[in-house]
Amino acid sequence: QVQLQESGPGLVTPSETLFLTCSVSGASITSGGHYWDWIRQPPGRGLEWIGSIYFRGSSYHHTSLKSRVTISVVTSKNQFSLRLTSVTAADTAVYYCAKHMKQFQVFSPFDSWGQGIRVTVSS
Amino acid sequence: QSVLTQPPSVSAAPGQEVTISCSGGNSNIGNNYVCWYQQLPGTAPKLLIYDNDKRPSGIADRFSGSKSGTSAILGITGLQTGDEADYYCGSWDSTLSMYVFGSGTQVTVL
Repeated sequence: QVQLQESGPGLVTPSETLFLTCSVSGASITSGGHYWDWIRQPPGRGLEWIGSIYFRGSSYHHTSLKSRVTISVVTSKNQFSLRLTSVTAADTAVYYCAKHMKQFQVFSPFDSWGQGIRVTVSS
Repeated sequence: QSVLTQPPSVSAAPGQEVTISCSGGNSNIGNNYVCWYQQLPGTAPKLLIYDNDKRPSGIADRFSGSKSGTSAILGITGLQTGDEADYYCGSWDSTLSMYVFGSGTQVTVL
């Protein structure tokens, strides 16, 4: 059974950089062949996809966030991370990490999710 | 503003049936699979339907999915109080090269 767990700060100062990590167990990021994603949900609102990464180097990002987002794999720890620069109050949300269902298919659905981490952007 | 459009809310009595629509375009639903997620209050979303009409292991057959053209429908029969949740459709958008979600529909059991 695949399990994902987000970690990082719960409070970030405006204009600073948000850095989150997703720890994966039950699957290998480097050999499983799956894409790994970040998704967020602002308070009281719907889901917003942030981006996706494949160990071999392919990555995709939300068009409106592309200039501020970096998603990376930490191979030694079976983790992947999210770096979001120049945060504003609009980046306040619950952030989820998730795994795609099918190998090598970024367009497949998400079959495993982390529990989510609440991040507030405020001074 | 979401790429995929859903009604904000639907409701029905216990035991009844509800359907939730998801409307998109040729770049997403029209040429890619649709899936559905259930998000119970305070929890992470859970995959309900994938590849338009398939249920993952453990999902009750009260939940069904279908797709026609650029729209999809989620059906829930034998409605239970435990079905009260937000439901989201999702699909890959080939033009944007992005995964897109619907705006979400809140299901209320009267």
